[in-house]
Amino acid sequence: AQRVTQPEKLLSVFKGAPVELKCNYSYSGSPELFWYVQYSRQRLQLLLRHISRESIKGFTADLNKGETSFHLKKPFAQEEDSAMYYCALSGKTSGSRLTFGEGTQLTVNP
Amino acid sequence: DADVTQTPRNRITKTGKRIMLECSQTKGHDRMYWYRQDPGLGLRLIYYSFDVKDINKGEISDGYSVSRQAQAKFSLSLESAIPNQTALYFCATSVPSYSGGELFFGEGSRLTVL
Repeated sequence: AQRVTQPEKLLSVFKGAPVELKCNYSYSGSPELFWYVQYSRQRLQLLLRHISRESIKGFTADLNKGETSFHLKKPFAQEEDSAMYYCALSGKTSGSRLTFGEGTQLTVNP
Repeated sequence: DADVTQTPRNRITKTGKRIMLECSQTKGHDRMYWYRQDPGLGLRLIYYSFDVKDINKGEISDGYSVSRQAQAKFSLSLESAIPNQTALYFCATSVPSYSGGELFFGEGSRLTVL
């Protein structure tokens, strides 16, 4: 079975501070990991995926297979980063069915 | 602009009533999904369909049924609503992908069962 865990339901930082949203997973195989974001009054949307190895809006995430983690990081948080963030996983046995974590509500204070 | 549209956006109903949530998309995607969002539980997959003749149960299908009327339409029904089905429901679409493609979500349907 595949599982995604986001240990922090709420995370609050000040503008300009570094931020890290934690994501741990369990999957027997090679997973595909994603971060989705939901800004206030907007739809849930893809932020980034590990296979792209790209930085989106200053966020990066590295897949650590040894620690089974896919933490989302940004060196300098901005107020507009305040949103709900979901880590998600899929694998070859599940096609494009994503398993989501519980979500982390990030608040960036001025 | 290609879109995923859910109706109704908000619905309040009583225990025991039958409810249908509808999803239509103009993205031309074959795959459609219904997720349920609950605070602290994230999004959980209810049902999914990879094409018109394909319907599959997700993690939490009990108490729900679906209908894929066309490539563009995927409806979720609660035959006899109960209060613990109060939640925010999301429809999503994707293109075929071997191990994970991007999901495109609707705006959500908030259902309250009294």
